[in-house]
Parts: sequence; C-alpha cells; structure tokens
Amino acid sequence: AQSVTQPDIHITVSEGASLELRCNYSYGATPYLFWYVQSPGQGLQLLLKYFSGDTLVQGIKGFEAEFKRSQSSFNLRKPSVHWSDAAEYFCAVGPILGGGADGLTFGKGTHLIIQP
Amino acid sequence: GAGVSQSPSNKVTEKGKDVELRCDPISGHTALYWYRQSLGQGLEFLIYFQGNSAPDKSGLPSDRFSAERTGGSVSTLTIQRTQQEDSAVYLCASSRGGTRSTQYFGPGTRLLVL
Repeated sequence: AQSVTQPDIHITVSEGASLELRCNYSYGATPYLFWYVQSPGQGLQLLLKYFSGDTLVQGIKGFEAEFKRSQSSFNLRKPSVHWSDAAEYFCAVGPILGGGADGLTFGKGTHLIIQP
Repeated sequence: GAGVSQSPSNKVTEKGKDVELRCDPISGHTALYWYRQSLGQGLEFLIYFQGNSAPDKSGLPSDRFSAERTGGSVSTLTIQRTQQEDSAVYLCASSRGGTRSTQYFGPGTRLLVL
C-alpha cells in the first residue's frame, strides 16, 4: 500500500525567511504528487502537482517543489515566506493503487507558523 | 456553482442516530470524492464516484457508512448508528475525471457525535 510521510509536524519560520517542507512517499508505480494547503476553517487548495517531465514544478503563491525519484521525495519550497502563508500543508500521492479507486493518499500534514 | 459546496457545515448528533451529509460538486465535474479528516487518522480517502458509479467501496470505514450519487451531480454520505469515533470533518472534492485532474475541495462538514 502507498504511504506519505511528512516528518515535521510543526515548523516555525520567520517572515521573509526561506521555507522547505519535507515529503517522502512510498508508491508501487510512477507517482502523481501533490501539495495542498489548508487555512483555518477552509477547504484544501492545490498549490502544485507533478505528473511527469521536469522534476521542478512551480505552483501558486510563489511555491515550488522538486521531485527526486532516488530519494522518494517531493519537498516544497518557498524563497521568502509571508505571514499569510501560515497554514497546514499536506503532501499527497495518487491515484490509490488497485481496486478502481481514484483518490489520493495524504500525509499527516505540517503546521507552518510564521514569526514576525 | 463556483465551487464545491457541502451541507450542513456543522452537525451535532447523539450517538446511535443516523446522519446525512451532502455534497454539491462543481458543475460539469464527473468525478466526486469523499474524505474524512480527523485528529488521529489525518486525511483518509473514503470513496470515489465516476458519474453515479462507485467502483470501490473498500475505503468506507464500516458497513454503517454508505454513499450515493444521483444524476451525476449531488452526493450524499450517510452514517448510520453514529459512534463517537465518527466525529471528524468530512470533505468532499470533485474533478473533471481522470487521475491527472485536479481535485477541488469543499469546506467540509464538521460532525460531532456526543
């Protein structure tokens, strides 16, 4: 079965500093990879996705992620964070293998705190 | 509509009662997904519809859970004889279909079972 690991439950970053959120996956085929963000009381919003091709993908709000097959990783980065980036970030892999399901498997999330 | 909508936004019920959660997908989206978000389990995939058909129901936590979709649009997730461990946020998403289609999420229904 596939799985996604986000090793950091909480991360605190100063406003203006760079950010990297880690994501490792286990998947029995070529993965499709996603990063979603969830602000308090809001639904999940897609930041970026990787299907194939260039391993560095650009997303919304100045985020980017790099797919590294050899490390089974898909880390999210931003060069300079803003206070509005404080939220919960989820890495996901899909589709679910076998059984005809087409959903995503999510990590437990990383809570990002921005210090002024 | 402009986005995925879910109702009710909050639901408090007593243990043993049945509840129905509703999802209205984005117009024209053929695929619809239900997820559950809880403190202990994180985000779990429950079920997926392509049109009105759910190819695989094995993600549903127990036989107390059922889901249907009619007219290729609205979907209802029903939980019978609710238990306290059913307390969670239930999220619905829709997409144009296919594994490369972006899933757009609704705001969720927060369910509390007393």
